[in-house]
Amino acid sequence: GENVEQHPSTLSVQEGDSAVIKCTYSDSASNYFPWYKQELGKGPQLIIDIRSNVGEKKDQRIAVTLNKTAKHFSLHITETQPEDSAVYFCAARRGSHGATNKLIFGTGTLLAVQP
Amino acid sequence: DAGVTQSPTHLIKTRGQQVTLRCSPKSGHDTVSWYQQALGQGPQFIFQYYEEEERQRGNFPDRFSGHQFPNYSSELNVNALLLGDSALYLCASSLASGLNEQYFGPGTRLTVT
Repeated sequence: GENVEQHPSTLSVQEGDSAVIKCTYSDSASNYFPWYKQELGKGPQLIIDIRSNVGEKKDQRIAVTLNKTAKHFSLHITETQPEDSAVYFCAARRGSHGATNKLIFGTGTLLAVQP
Repeated sequence: DAGVTQSPTHLIKTRGQQVTLRCSPKSGHDTVSWYQQALGQGPQFIFQYYEEEERQRGNFPDRFSGHQFPNYSSELNVNALLLGDSALYLCASSLASGLNEQYFGPGTRLTVT
């Protein structure tokens, strides 16, 4: 069935260091891979996404890479700041454009940035 | 530009009761998806509404039902509540045409006692 595995479940880094979160998906038809940041008591916030025709995408301190052959995708955060502390979720979906398909979420990574 | 809004923020119900949760999508969006997020877990897809019809459904029983109105807002109804229905219920809106990125609301925290 459809499944997204996410590692690690918790990650603690020093301020200024980099953080990497990795996900693996099972549905080879998946074409869209968003990342969400969820702060305590709030809904998930879309921070970056990537589609299957792109191998890497960067937005300031955040980057996402995709390896469709291995069914892996990763989130990279550089120069981490205390405000980056939150739970991060990866997700996968069939249909990269104009589709109304469900998101399959990973189990989340609790990132703690120590000042 | 208003984002996705949900009401109520918190709700406490007794086992066996019924509950209705509401969602208003982000301005310009026409598709609403509902997710259930248990404590410490990722969101689980319940169903999705587009053009006032349920388009896709996750692995949830018929006790979970929904509706979409002509203004694209949506309701989630849960009948015969179980203790296990306690969770954060999230609404996400998107535009069916185009890139279809999903934006989430703050959620409704449902507690069943």
